[in-house]
Amino acid sequence: EPEVTQTPSHQVTQMGQEVILRCVPISNHLYFYWYRQILGQKVEFLVSFYNNEISEKSEIFDDQFSVERPDGSNFTLKIRSTKLEDSAMYFCASTLGQGVTQHFGDGTRLSIL
Amino acid sequence: AQTVTQSQPEMSVQEAETVTLSCTYDTSESDYYLFWYKQPPSRQMILVIRQEAYKQQNATENRFSVNFQKAAKSFSLKISDSQLGDAAMYFCAYIGGGGGGDDKIIFGKGTRLHILP
Repeated sequence: EPEVTQTPSHQVTQMGQEVILRCVPISNHLYFYWYRQILGQKVEFLVSFYNNEISEKSEIFDDQFSVERPDGSNFTLKIRSTKLEDSAMYFCASTLGQGVTQHFGDGTRLSIL
Repeated sequence: AQTVTQSQPEMSVQEAETVTLSCTYDTSESDYYLFWYKQPPSRQMILVIRQEAYKQQNATENRFSVNFQKAAKSFSLKISDSQLGDAAMYFCAYIGGGGGGDDKIIFGKGTRLHILP
């Protein structure tokens, strides 16, 4: 069964550094998402992406965050200047469209030192 | 705004017994989808079961079933014949707007389920 793939599984970065989290959605999917889960808390929506542009973003997704789909297969989340509070599990998800379940990747654990 | 509430932060059940996890939600939409996701210690997000709001019949997946009460906005998960591998955090989740492709999932805070051998 096709899967959403996320790399790396664990990223350790110094505060203030830029980090890029990578995702390869399922190949025929059209809608892409990033979610975040701070340790011990619920999963929160960050951003949705369709047709090469952001569809919706949450309050968390401020100017230090950006997403892009550079080559038609990868979907990336960039955090420009990381803060301690960015430490979390980041999940990528994709779906074919309306009424179809979102498929999640295994997540990237981001640790900011 | 839509909300999802899980009032049981933790639950325990004896192996082979049945347990029910509670979830309530609030929405003004008539068309939506509800889900239960399982998150084991590895922290993957695994879809357990989903329910379309327009369907009156409760969804079932092997040992997992739901009790969907649309008028009461209640969506509980029943796990029968509990197994040690069922130990995990369980999240109740909601997508509104007919489940349109650009709709976000709204998650509850989760219920940690312990299975006692």
